[in-house]
Amino acid sequence: QEQLVESGGGVVQPGRSLRLSCAASGFTFSNYAMHWVRQAPGKGLEWVALISYDGSKKYYADSVKGRFTISRDISKNTLSLQMNSLRPEDTAVYYCAREPYISGWYRGDFDYWGQGTLVTVSS
Amino acid sequence: QSVLTQPPSVSGAPGQRVTISCTGSSSNLGAGFDAHWYQQLPGTAPKLLIYNNNNRPSGVPDRFSGSKSDTSASLAITGLQAEDEADYYCQSYDSSLSRVFGGGTKLTVL
Repeated sequence: QEQLVESGGGVVQPGRSLRLSCAASGFTFSNYAMHWVRQAPGKGLEWVALISYDGSKKYYADSVKGRFTISRDISKNTLSLQMNSLRPEDTAVYYCAREPYISGWYRGDFDYWGQGTLVTVSS
Repeated sequence: QSVLTQPPSVSGAPGQRVTISCTGSSSNLGAGFDAHWYQQLPGTAPKLLIYNNNNRPSGVPDRFSGSKSDTSASLAITGLQAEDEADYYCQSYDSSLSRVFGGGTKLTVL
């Protein structure tokens, strides 16, 4: 049974760092691009970052570029998000989500999501 | 302000049909990129409902359908049920911003 399980959330002061993890199981991790998507309290969904199926390409939303780093360990089936210089506006539930990579093409959608982990940036 | 525009709310009585619109621009839906739809029940993670404009993943009832034309996409729900009460989001690719979402639409079943 496929699973994505996030961890690492918590309360952190502005300017500090936090590292989120997402453990994948039940599917072939290397067949998917992986994303982080966040949702501020009471707000909509915001795409944060993408890493290609093989880890060779990474893309970020302007709001986090230069502060967040996405990575994946294919041997451990794990996705990570290193978040530095955190700001109060980074407060959100962070979801990891997968995107199918089929015959050399990214399908474009997020076909499975984790349950999310809450990050609160506050002094 | 979201790149894709959705109505904040829609409502309908049980058994009725409702539609949710998603309006983009020439850099996303209008450029030929597909629309995808997600359902988010209260307190849960989003769930894929429709991919590539009009395809349903396994397990999604055929009461849900999608369509796309030029810079707009729509989600239709027929035979509305109480369990359909949720937030719905459209999503696409934008040539300048990578993945983008609509602001979300709250569906109320009267």
